[in-house]
Amino acid sequence: GENVEQHPSTLSVQEGDSAVIKCTYSDSASNYFPWYKQELGKRPQLIIDIRSNVGEKKDQRIAVTLNKTAKHFSLHITETQPEDSAVYFCAAIPRDQGGKLIFGQGTELSVKP
Amino acid sequence: GAGVSQSPSNKVTEKGKDVELRCDPISGHTALYWYRQSLGQGLEFLIYFQGNSAPDKSGLPSDRFSAERTGGSVSTLTIQRTQQEDSAVYLCASTQPPGGSSYNEQFFGPGTRLTVL
Repeated sequence: GENVEQHPSTLSVQEGDSAVIKCTYSDSASNYFPWYKQELGKRPQLIIDIRSNVGEKKDQRIAVTLNKTAKHFSLHITETQPEDSAVYFCAAIPRDQGGKLIFGQGTELSVKP
Repeated sequence: GAGVSQSPSNKVTEKGKDVELRCDPISGHTALYWYRQSLGQGLEFLIYFQGNSAPDKSGLPSDRFSAERTGGSVSTLTIQRTQQEDSAVYLCASTQPPGGSSYNEQFFGPGTRLTVL
């Protein structure tokens, strides 16, 4: 079955710097890759997603890139702000498995003012 | 509109007791998922319902765990003879019917924090 690995587990950056979180997946048939942000004690919220027929997607300060050949995808946050501090999870949906999400282990991002 | 709701928000129980956790998906969403999040960990898939199809139970950790979805809407996750390792936040999510532009997006509920003493 699908397995998603996420790195790093913790990331600390200065306000205004960029942050990059990387994930790899094992099932080449996976076709949907969302990123969720989870603030302490809150529910996960989708921040950006990408499908397997697209290489890059951007939404303001957030971008996701996908390399299908290497089976990895990355989240890029530019001009980080203290409110970006949270745990970020990548996930993959294996094809033809009903849409269940297989999550990475999470990255705790800390943005220092 | 209303999002996914879950109840109770917190549940403390004694080892060996049974518990029931409830999820109300977004109206019109046909798929419903249960996940478990242990302290400081990622989310672990438990079970998935899609319409009238047989549920995908492949993530349930033991036969003490079961779930129902009545009338294609509300779902109940039941844990029998709870153990301390069952302590976690149980999250429910729902998605739109297939075919829409955002049908893969899962909308999560606030979760139920289960503590087994």
